Amino acid sequence: GNSVTQMEGPVTLSEEAFLTINCTYTATGYPSLFWYVQYPGEGLQLLLKATKADDKGSNKGFEATYRKETTSFHLEKGSVQVSDSAVYFCALHSGGYQKVTFGTGTKLQVIP
Amino acid sequence: DAMVIQNPRYQVTQFGKPVTLSCSQTLNHNVMYWYQQKSSQAPKLLFHYYDKDFNNEADTPDNFQSRRPNTSFCFLDIRSPGLGDTAMYLCATSRGTAMNTEAFFGQGTRLTVV
Repeated sequence: GNSVTQMEGPVTLSEEAFLTINCTYTATGYPSLFWYVQYPGEGLQLLLKATKADDKGSNKGFEATYRKETTSFHLEKGSVQVSDSAVYFCALHSGGYQKVTFGTGTKLQVIP
Repeated sequence: DAMVIQNPRYQVTQFGKPVTLSCSQTLNHNVMYWYQQKSSQAPKLLFHYYDKDFNNEADTPDNFQSRRPNTSFCFLDIRSPGLGDTAMYLCATSRGTAMNTEAFFGQGTRLTVV
């Protein structure tokens, strides 16, 4: 079956530090890959997505590249802000009636 | 403007007392999902509707039921809540089930069973 593995948190960074959150996946076929963000007390919001190998998703300074050879979709940001503090979920979708598979989430805390 | 709206945001219910959570959408999406998210865990899909077709996950307890009276509304009914059902319940919608389809989430209902 499909699975998503994320690096465990929490991750604590100082403002303007470089962020990497690792995500690897196991799936049949060629899934689409997503990063969702969940701010405290809120639902999930789509941050970015990539639908095929070598695609790069980007939004709000965050980037992730779909790497088929390493089955990875690592999230990066060059300079984090306090407002980026949230839980980040990596997810994949194989299409059809298969459900979206989420990773366990990585909590990011950015301190001034 | 909110596109997926969940009510209430917070709900406290007594052990064994039936409770209903509601979700509405203004996106006219075909698919509506209900997820359960316990503290510090990934969201877990309970079931989804594709139009009027109901799709239950194999491990969803019978205690959880859902209704979708029309395209815009979907309800989650918990017939006899237990303490272990304390969680955030997330409603989501999508245009279809193609793999590149984005899911739009509501803000969630935080349910506490006492």
